[in-house]
Amino acid sequence: SQQGEEDPQALSIQEGENATMNCSYKTSINNLQWYRQNSGRGLVHLILIRSNEREKHSGRLRVTLDTSKKSSSLLITASRAADTASYFCATDAGYGGATNKLIFGTGTLLAVQP
Amino acid sequence: EAGVTQFPSHSVIEKGQTVTLRCDPISGHDNLYWYRRVMGKEIKFLLHFVKESKQDESGMPNNRFLAERTGGTYSTLKVQPAELEDSGVYFCASSRPGVPYEQYFGPGTRLTVT
Repeated sequence: SQQGEEDPQALSIQEGENATMNCSYKTSINNLQWYRQNSGRGLVHLILIRSNEREKHSGRLRVTLDTSKKSSSLLITASRAADTASYFCATDAGYGGATNKLIFGTGTLLAVQP
Repeated sequence: EAGVTQFPSHSVIEKGQTVTLRCDPISGHDNLYWYRRVMGKEIKFLLHFVKESKQDESGMPNNRFLAERTGGTYSTLKVQPAELEDSGVYFCASSRPGVPYEQYFGPGTRLTVT
């Protein structure tokens, strides 16, 4: 079954505005990460938050994690046209950790209009 | 430091043909993962190598897919014979020993089966 689900599926904003994307997951996790994919390119790692952390910042990115609700949010402040991309959350599950495979959601397509 | 590289970037083949995808991980990364994204759906795990050994191949869809990592360096993923539903983007990722969840992704290979 799908582990991560993101909403909204698509988001269009103006440059300078903030963008918020949400992710929900189903099972216990070790870590949650956010990735960005620009059109035709690979996945770029943005930020990792551990299961015992509640909030983390990196530049214009702010990630929150609520393990009781099994959800996370990614906030991009002062968005730029270059932020236009698909954003994915990915979790690595808590069972044994032998694999640490990542389980991805379907992603949010963000379009920042100049 | 060179990132994860994948070859080819795009492959178009006919149903029934064979295709081999290649991934070169970051030097020193023992962990190598294959993922794929089919038809705009979520990115799904295929398998995980630790050096030359298959740690987890639970995500491999069927026996038409064969992955190898001889010598523990680069990896290949062969699809034989290819079917229409195999079309998608195949990503490779690698990570360092001890930090398997911090995965660095390649640009992906877009496979189109006609």
